[in-house]
Amino acid sequence: AQKITQTQPGMFVQEKEAVTLDCTYDTSDPSYGLFWYKQPSSGEMIFLIYQGSYDQQNATEGRYSLNFQKARKSANLVISASQLGDSAMYFCAMRVHAGGTSYGKLTFGQGTILTVHP
Amino acid sequence: GAVVSQHPSWVICKSGTSVKIECRSLDFQATTMFWYRQFPKQSLMLMATSNEGSKATYEQGVEKDKFLINHASLTLSTLTVTSAHPEDSSFYICSARGGLKGSGYTFGSGTRLTVV
Repeated sequence: AQKITQTQPGMFVQEKEAVTLDCTYDTSDPSYGLFWYKQPSSGEMIFLIYQGSYDQQNATEGRYSLNFQKARKSANLVISASQLGDSAMYFCAMRVHAGGTSYGKLTFGQGTILTVHP
Repeated sequence: GAVVSQHPSWVICKSGTSVKIECRSLDFQATTMFWYRQFPKQSLMLMATSNEGSKATYEQGVEKDKFLINHASLTLSTLTVTSAHPEDSSFYICSARGGLKGSGYTFGSGTRLTVV
């Protein structure tokens, strides 16, 4: 079975500073994908970044980068130059590529509430 | 792009009544729809996976007779909470496989259900 763990229930960061949100995962499947989503208080899920297990380079999307350390099974999200609008809940998620009737389902971590201070 | 329209965005219902939540993919065909439930400040828990034209696959511990899922077409999946009780109050959100954004997953905007 696959598992995603986010050990930081809450994080605080000063505006314009960088922050790292931790995520570790566990799966025996060699082919998997890792996602990060932002969920503001409105509840919508906003896709931020994706990393495939076979990708050689760390994914980057604007101010977001994913620090992928395959041997350590970690996929930390780095947000550079934090903004007040970054305050939200952040989820790490994993998709395994195994078959079956729930093929492609995402398993989510517990989430981290990020608060950006002015 | 890809959009999944989820309705209603919020609903209040009386205990014992049933509530239907719709997720409609507007510009792509969603062969697979995932339904999640989320309590405040907690993670998204997968309830079931529905594939167009076939019965939904429910996760362990989810009552299939209470949470009825129908995926009759490639653009519409519904979740019906039958005989709702206060403990069913939660945030329900759907996610469709397909579309060009989100690396293949498009989420609805969610439904806040309050059972009184």
